[in-house]
Amino acid sequence: AQTVTQSQPEMSVQEAETVTLSCTYDTSESDYYLFWYKQPPSRQMILVIRQEAYKQQNATENRFSVNFQKAAKSFSLKISDSQLGDAAMYFCAYRNYGGSQGNLIFGKGTKLSVKP
Amino acid sequence: EPEVTQTPSHQVTQMGQEVILRCVPISNHLYFYWYRQILGQKVEFLVSFYNNEISEKSEIFDDQFSVERPDGSNFTLKIRSTKLEDSAMYFCASSLKGSGNTIYFGEGSWLTVV
Repeated sequence: AQTVTQSQPEMSVQEAETVTLSCTYDTSESDYYLFWYKQPPSRQMILVIRQEAYKQQNATENRFSVNFQKAAKSFSLKISDSQLGDAAMYFCAYRNYGGSQGNLIFGKGTKLSVKP
Repeated sequence: EPEVTQTPSHQVTQMGQEVILRCVPISNHLYFYWYRQILGQKVEFLVSFYNNEISEKSEIFDDQFSVERPDGSNFTLKIRSTKLEDSAMYFCASSLKGSGNTIYFGEGSWLTVV
């Protein structure tokens, strides 16, 4: 079974600085998708960024980018120019490609604090 | 931007009572899901639904849970006889296609069982 591990329960960053959140996963599949979701205090789950495993190029969405290392099964999220509104829980998630419908498997999350 | 909407946002119910949580998925999406997040824990998959039937479910989704798409827009989760441990945030989600497609979440329904 696939697993997702986020080893940093909490992280802190100064406003305007850069922070990297770590995520590792375990799978025997070669095709899959990886996601980062943000959960602010309102508790809504908001998609931040996604990565297809077959793509070598790292995904980027404005200030958010990933470092996808397929061989190492690592999928870290970099937030540049951190803003106060980035403060939230961040969840890394995995989803199979093909076969069954493929539910999302989440890590335990990293709580990010942004200091003014 | 289209979004998944859920009602109620918060419900308090007595143990043993039936609860129905409602969701309106994104209109052109074909796959629907329910996830659960107990306070302080990670988000857990409950069930996926496609073509008017359950396509996948987790061990959590036992006989006291059921899902239904009663019309062309709503998707509901029913908990037949609530237990204290059912207290959690329940997220409805949808995706255009199945595996690989991005899953979009609603704002959640917070269920408190007393």
